[in-house]
Amino acid sequence: DSGVTQTPKHLITATGQRVTLRCSPRSGDLSVYWYQQSLDQGLQFLIQYYNGEERAKGNILERFSAQQFPDLHSELNLSSLELGDSALYFCASSERQGRGANYGYTFGSGTRLTVV
Amino acid sequence: AQSVAQPEDQVNVAEGNPLTVKCTYSVSGNPYLFWYVQYPNRGLQFLLKYITGDNLVKGSYGFEAEFNKSQTSFHLKKPSALVSDSALYFCAVRDAGSYGGSQGNLIFGKGTKLSVKP
Repeated sequence: DSGVTQTPKHLITATGQRVTLRCSPRSGDLSVYWYQQSLDQGLQFLIQYYNGEERAKGNILERFSAQQFPDLHSELNLSSLELGDSALYFCASSERQGRGANYGYTFGSGTRLTVV
Repeated sequence: AQSVAQPEDQVNVAEGNPLTVKCTYSVSGNPYLFWYVQYPNRGLQFLLKYITGDNLVKGSYGFEAEFNKSQTSFHLKKPSALVSDSALYFCAVRDAGSYGGSQGNLIFGKGTKLSVKP
């Protein structure tokens, strides 16, 4: 157990629907990162939150959004789902950013989303 | 912009032989470099990192990696491969001088599938 918890582990939904993926970071970690892993695109950075604030955006579609709550858990919302959104979605956390952020990330086990 | 290249989609090695998984990087400043391993249906697990200091970094499960600044490489190595090492390996980089924004995040290579045969 890495300490980063993602729920649900598996999700099957229809095109056009909306889903919410949840992530609880490792205790003490303030940064949460979301990544999408697909066969053709590899591991793509989506978005980062630090202590409740959005800090960086990667290749995140406008149909996707995220937030980090006061208790530091994060949710990734995916709407108007398309077949191509089927992928593994990973959450990772790290201790902090800034000069102390020279550590790697701790990853959760992911949510496998299948859009049918 | 920073980037990572893993030139081999797959590496095949016989058990007991040495293995190398290649990684080259591009950053504007000094790099922080990482290797992760992913087993089927699992998240990425941290193997080792280079931040500063000795160019040869030792990590988990007997893996090591050598930082070569002139060649901008950070190849992963193991003297004697095990069947259980078969997995997907990711190299990642971030610019040491960037503490926020997109440049402060880890950028991953596409991954290299390591297959170790008995």
